[in-house]
Amino acid sequence: EVQLVESGGGLVQPGGSLRLSCAASGFTFSNYAMSWVRQAPGKGLEWVSGVSGGGSTYYADSVKGRFTISRDNSKNTLYLQMDSLRAEDTAVYYCAKDKRSTVVRGTNFDFWGQGTLVTVSS
Amino acid sequence: DIQMTQSPSSLSASVGDRVTITCRASQTIITYLNWYQHKPGKAPELLIYAASSLQSGVPSRFSGSGSGTDLTLTISSLQPEDFATYYCQQSYSIPWTFGQGTKVEIK
Repeated sequence: EVQLVESGGGLVQPGGSLRLSCAASGFTFSNYAMSWVRQAPGKGLEWVSGVSGGGSTYYADSVKGRFTISRDNSKNTLYLQMDSLRAEDTAVYYCAKDKRSTVVRGTNFDFWGQGTLVTVSS
Repeated sequence: DIQMTQSPSSLSASVGDRVTITCRASQTIITYLNWYQHKPGKAPELLIYAASSLQSGVPSRFSGSGSGTDLTLTISSLQPEDFATYYCQQSYSIPWTFGQGTKVEIK
């Protein structure tokens, strides 16, 4: 059974940093691309960042230069390092498994975690 | 970036109703379109990928159609467990973008 469990969320001040983790199990982690998707309070879903099985990375413009996605295939874990956080980064952050190994046209997310809440506020 | 616009933003329907949700893209996305169901406090679930392919384990009352800029999700006979918010997502070009969501409520 595929499981994705996010952790690391919490309250942080504007300008601060936070690192999210997503522990994966039930599939060969290194064979699949992974993404982070967020949902701000009362808003819809927003793709944040993706990483291929081999480590190539992709970002939404809203987080480029501030967030860094990475993965440790030996630990079956996906990460999102979030720096220079802003109030508008407040959201539930979901990790999502891709059906494919690379972040390419035709991507779809077949499994998602339950999410972890990040609140940026003074 | 490709903008995705869903209509309606919300709808009220009864159990057994046929429901159709439309997703319009700001440019052609051919059939690179996925549909997700999201319930409060739960993980989103993939329903349809590549515009019309049913994800494994998803009931056959869900179907997708269309190509180009206008695509649709249809629920043939609404069930109590289908009350949720539905999102389309284009996978034609990065950044992947979602529609704003369609909330399906009980009439």
